[in-house]
Amino acid sequence: EPEVTQTPSHQVTQMGQEVILRCVPISNHLYFYWYRQILGQKVEFLVSFYNNEISEKSEIFDDQFSVERPDGSNFTLKIRSTKLEDSAMYFCASSPRTFTTEAFFGQGTRLTVV
Amino acid sequence: AQTVTQSQPEMSVQEAETVTLSCTYDTSESDYYLFWYKQPPSRQMILVIRQEAYKQQNATENRFSVNFQKAAKSFSLKISDSQLGDAAMYFCAYKITQGGSEKLVFGKGTKLTVNP
Repeated sequence: EPEVTQTPSHQVTQMGQEVILRCVPISNHLYFYWYRQILGQKVEFLVSFYNNEISEKSEIFDDQFSVERPDGSNFTLKIRSTKLEDSAMYFCASSPRTFTTEAFFGQGTRLTVV
Repeated sequence: AQTVTQSQPEMSVQEAETVTLSCTYDTSESDYYLFWYKQPPSRQMILVIRQEAYKQQNATENRFSVNFQKAAKSFSLKISDSQLGDAAMYFCAYKITQGGSEKLVFGKGTKLTVNP
């Protein structure tokens, strides 16, 4: 069964460093998302991406964050200068079409900023 | 703003028994989708069941069913014949569309423990 895959599963980085979280969505999906879950809290929407551009972003997704789909298969989330409060589980998700379908989630990347 | 509320931070159930997890939401839209996601200790988010708001019939997936009360904006999940593998965090989620984009709005989750 096709699935969304994320790498790495766990990343530790020093505050101020740049990190790139990688995702390979399901191949025929058109909509891509990043969500974040701070430990013990609810899952929060970060950004949605369609047709090679951001379609919506939350207030969490500030100038330190960026996304891109560099080669038609990978979907990346970059945090330019990490802060302690960026420590969280980051989930990539994809869906085949709009509104009528659920999002399929990857297994997540645990980011720890020290 | 759309919100999703799960009033039970934790629930427990005996193996083989039935448990119901509560979820309420707030929206001004008439057409939307509701989902229950399961997050086991592996942390992956797994879809359990979904409900289209325009459908009056409650969704069912094997041992999982929902009680969707649109007027009350309530969307509870019933797990029958609970199994040890059902132990997980359960998140209720609402799917909205704004300006052509989409996002899921999640509740804070309910931690389900299944006792042998």
